[in-house]
Amino acid sequence: EAQVTQNPRYLITVTGKKLTVTCSQNMNHEYMSWYRQDPGLGLRQIYYSMNVEVTDKGDVPEGYKVSRKEKRNFPLILESPSPNQTSLYFCASSLKRGYNEQFFGPGTRLTVL
Amino acid sequence: AQSVSQHNHHVILSEAASLELGCNYSYGGTVNLFWYVQYPGQHLQLLLKYFSGDPLVKGIKGFEAEFIKSKFSFNLRKPSVQWSDTAEYFCAVNRNRDDKIIFGKGTRLHILP
Repeated sequence: EAQVTQNPRYLITVTGKKLTVTCSQNMNHEYMSWYRQDPGLGLRQIYYSMNVEVTDKGDVPEGYKVSRKEKRNFPLILESPSPNQTSLYFCASSLKRGYNEQFFGPGTRLTVL
Repeated sequence: AQSVSQHNHHVILSEAASLELGCNYSYGGTVNLFWYVQYPGQHLQLLLKYFSGDPLVKGIKGFEAEFIKSKFSFNLRKPSVQWSDTAEYFCAVNRNRDDKIIFGKGTRLHILP
């Protein structure tokens, strides 16, 4: 089944403790992206990647890192999480470019205490 | 600042009513336009998209949207809504010159049975 998977689905952590949210797609998509969803703010793009070893900042990249060492994986790294990063995070992928239909993962609900 | 505006944050309708959700964007160049839907507890999925050609596009589940370039608008419509249309709807814009995706803040739609 074609899909985007994220792990973990739920995470509660404390300020300053480094964490990684994994994202994997099995559709051989070139474009991958991370979003955060907050009430009243909709979805905001954190980082995106056009292909392996090619990443770029979205609208809200501060406090986040990403890497794209393999085509299928696009982990989101929070080196020192803070409470304002409490949010619902979605990974998405599309065939080649941003204008292709994006397929979204199930989401990761992160709480930073 | 460049943005995507969804005018209605919360809409409540009765079944069989007609629906129109507004979306305006502020980019001046060529854009690609999308409407995504998020059913309760689920991830986003594509309803419809516009790249070029006929400005009236039809999507899944009886939805359609009209691109009016002079008004920078891409409004979503459905002639007769169903209870199962209860969801949050997001308009999104991709600028042709880069691969960022900008989402609107979303419209929560409640359909009364």
